Amino acid sequence: GAVVSQHPSWVICKSGTSVKIECRSLDFQATTMFWYRQFPKQSLMLMATSNEGSKATYEQGVEKDKFLINHASLTLSTLTVTSAHPEDSSFYICSAREIGVGELFFGEGSRLTVL
Amino acid sequence: DQQVKQNSPSLSVQEGRISILNCDYTNSMFDYFLWYKKYPAEGPTFLISISSIKDKNEDGRFTVFLNKSAKHLSLHIVPSQPGDSAVYFCAATYSGGYQKVTFGTGTKLQVIP
Repeated sequence: GAVVSQHPSWVICKSGTSVKIECRSLDFQATTMFWYRQFPKQSLMLMATSNEGSKATYEQGVEKDKFLINHASLTLSTLTVTSAHPEDSSFYICSAREIGVGELFFGEGSRLTVL
Repeated sequence: DQQVKQNSPSLSVQEGRISILNCDYTNSMFDYFLWYKKYPAEGPTFLISISSIKDKNEDGRFTVFLNKSAKHLSLHIVPSQPGDSAVYFCAATYSGGYQKVTFGTGTKLQVIP
């Protein structure tokens, strides 16, 4: 199947700093990518829909100024957690759908720990 | 508002037996359903899907059944293998919804050798 790669897979940062997570579709083009967050023992919660060349669409309750999403090309979307705080510590997962194909492919996830 | 629900947080099954994972949804607009398997600290892996125009889809050991009138779907794994031990997420989406996928809370399956 198609491959979606996230980087970094694991990051530790100090409170107040910003962290950027990349999501790349390696062998297909995706006009739309999705960012999820998973808390321990909880479901995947959709944070935002990232659209290539336009602004992201955020879900209710997600701070767009805190979680900056950029979808600069058909193969790359980035999530920047700005001024990170310990409560932002979580597992962040991206997904992408190939143009014209129904199936969603997920990245490996990125574990963020804010000290 | 949890639109996709998996009421059993965990399930234990003996190797070789059938595993049945259940999922209920409330949004009647959903017309495409998916099952994902997830290991700890990894992204979900797609398993099988079903469109609302069908009531059954089979792929090897995995079969998904859809009961639209009951807004219920289930995933059957036969025979269950120890490698199937993971968290299984039911998910749903609908045409025109930015292709957003709504996930259930997950069921942790343990297959006992």
